[in-house]
Amino acid sequence: GENVEQHPSTLSVQEGDSAVIKCTYSDSASNYFPWYKQELGKRPQLIIDIRSNVGEKKDQRIAVTLNKTAKHFSLHITETQPEDSAVYFCAASIVGYGGSNYKLTFGKGTLLTVNP
Amino acid sequence: EAQVTQNPRYLITVTGKKLTVTCSQNMNHEYMSWYRQDPGLGLRQIYYSMNVEVTDKGDVPEGYKVSRKEKRNFPLILESPSPNQTSLYFCASRPTSGRVDTQYFGPGTRLTVL
Repeated sequence: GENVEQHPSTLSVQEGDSAVIKCTYSDSASNYFPWYKQELGKRPQLIIDIRSNVGEKKDQRIAVTLNKTAKHFSLHITETQPEDSAVYFCAASIVGYGGSNYKLTFGKGTLLTVNP
Repeated sequence: EAQVTQNPRYLITVTGKKLTVTCSQNMNHEYMSWYRQDPGLGLRQIYYSMNVEVTDKGDVPEGYKVSRKEKRNFPLILESPSPNQTSLYFCASRPTSGRVDTQYFGPGTRLTVL
């Protein structure tokens, strides 16, 4: 089955700096890669996702890049703010259309701390 | 409001006492699943269901049961809970047509087994 490795497990940055979290996956058939943010005591929330037919996607201060050949994808957060502090999870899945056997395999998470 | 609900949100119980955690969604989603979250291990899938009466094992199904008698409900059953099932549990749902990649999580259930 799919295996997702996520690094680093903890990341501390100064406010205004950039943060990068990296993930690798094992199943070359995976075609959907979401990133979730989980604040303390809350449920995971989807913040950005990318499909395998694109190499990069941006949404304001966050971006995700995907390298299918190397089977890795990364989350980039620019101009970090204290409210970005949370645990971030990457995930990988094979998503088809019309009732696929969808399964999200998650990385172990990265605790991001943004220091004021 | 579109949502996934879980009950109870917090539960402390003792070894061997059967319990059920309920999950309900109001979005008419076909797909529902249960995850457990443990420190340093991320989210691991316990069971999933593609539709009514269709369930299958995820990565860590041992010690758990599920049922899907109605589309909106997907309860998680622990017949004989043990301390190693102390964890944070999340239910999730998504459609199987249209935006199939958008998964909605419930608020979580923190379970402690003594």
